[in-house]
Amino acid sequence: KNEVEQSPQNLTAQEGEFITINCSYSVGISALHWLQQHPGGGIVSLFMLSSGKKKHGRLIATINIQEKHSSLHITASHPRDSAVYICAVIKGTSGSRLTFGEGTQLTVNP
Amino acid sequence: DADVTQTPRNRITKTGKRIMLECSQTKGHDRMYWYRQDPGLGLQLIYYSFDVKDINKGEISDGYSVSRQAQAKFSLSLESAIPNQTALYFCATSDPFKGELFFGEGSRLTVL
Repeated sequence: KNEVEQSPQNLTAQEGEFITINCSYSVGISALHWLQQHPGGGIVSLFMLSSGKKKHGRLIATINIQEKHSSLHITASHPRDSAVYICAVIKGTSGSRLTFGEGTQLTVNP
Repeated sequence: DADVTQTPRNRITKTGKRIMLECSQTKGHDRMYWYRQDPGLGLQLIYYSFDVKDINKGEISDGYSVSRQAQAKFSLSLESAIPNQTALYFCATSDPFKGELFFGEGSRLTVL
């Protein structure tokens, strides 16, 4: 069983919909990153969280350390949000090395 | 300049050839990483370096070596490439105390 599990693996939405991507992990962590990867493109870190909630534009990320769970929400989704979203954790004893989920492929249709 | 630059971006080579992927960064970070991405498997850590004199193996280091030539430069070598090393390779840098994490654009390697 992977230490970092994401759901769903694939998600298709209509433009304007509210989207939630979930990440559960089974290890102690010091922080968690949400990453975005566009087709053929590089990877961008959207958020780093160690507690609570962060917001940037239409993106909101939350983390519950006790429940070992994080969510990424996209409000008013747009076709340009179509990408793979990856949850990555920094395990408590790993320095800053990341352990990755397998990613969620999001497609937003106009 | 991009924060993290990888060269080459694409490379096709033959089995047995030596290949070097280069990475340079302008963020001034001490920590640098090489990852490999395969479809359906996510990203896996090959090697990492927390400063110029510190090199560590990751989860899948067999068949790979690295060199940290300077704080800004971290190269990945495949001494004798094999087809199952065909993948997308990413270099990354981080400063976890600032919450900073930057990836390069990726180097797509095909070994025939």
